[in-house]
Amino acid sequence: QVQLVQSGAEVKKPGASVTLSCKTSGYTFTQYYVQWLRQAPGQGLEWVAIINPKDGDATFARRFRDRATLTADASTSTVYLDLTNLKFDDAAIYYCARDSVAPHNPAFDYWGQGSLLTVS
Amino acid sequence: QSSVTQPPSVSGTPGQRVTISCSGRTSNVGENAVNWFQHLPGTAPKVVIYADDRRPSGVPDRFSGSKSGTSASLAINGLRSEDEADYYCGTWDDRRLGFVLGTGTKVTVL
Repeated sequence: QVQLVQSGAEVKKPGASVTLSCKTSGYTFTQYYVQWLRQAPGQGLEWVAIINPKDGDATFARRFRDRATLTADASTSTVYLDLTNLKFDDAAIYYCARDSVAPHNPAFDYWGQGSLLTVS
Repeated sequence: QSSVTQPPSVSGTPGQRVTISCSGRTSNVGENAVNWFQHLPGTAPKVVIYADDRRPSGVPDRFSGSKSGTSASLAINGLRSEDEADYYCGTWDDRRLGFVLGTGTKVTVL
C-alpha cells in the first residue's frame, strides 16, 4: 500500500538549517510528483515546493527560492526538504503529498503524517 | 497574499447545501485544474475534488466541484457535522510558476 512517512519533530534556532524527509513506498517513486505544504500556527495552508523525482526538477514558492532545496533519492524513494536560515515564522507542520503527473488523475492522493518544526 | 480568494467563512445547518467560491485569474484558476482540500488543523489535508469537478474514490457524492472562467466552486449538499473544517482551493499558477492555494474558508455546521 502507498505510504509517505515523514521525519520526526525538529527544534531549531533562528538562522539554523533543517532537513525534513518524506520516505515513500508502495508505488514507483519516479512516476509521481511530491509536493510540500505547511501550516503555521493559526495560519492557513501554504504551498512550499514540488519535485519531480524522475529528473529532480524542483519548483519553490517565491519566499523559499533562495533558502530551500529539494532532493529526491531514488535508491531509498525518499524526498528531502532542506531549509536554511530559519526564521520564527518557519515554525509550522510540514506535509508531503504524492501528486499525479497527469493533470486529470487524482491529485494529492496520499499524504505524510506531517513534521512539526519549532523555531525558538 | 494569495491571488486566489475565498470567503473567510460559510455556515449552514445539517442537511443544507453550502457553496464555497474560489476566485482567481486566467493564469491560475482559468487555465489549470482546480483541487479542493479539506483540512482539520493538525491533521493531513484531504482532497475532496480534483481536476475541477472529479471526486476521489471514498469522498461522498455530497461534494461536487465546478468551474467557469476564473472562478471555481465547491458545493456540499446535505451538510453533515463531520464536514466542519477548513477548505482550500488550489491550482497551478502559470505566471508565478508555482502552486497557489486560496485564502481558505471555514465551514461551520450550526
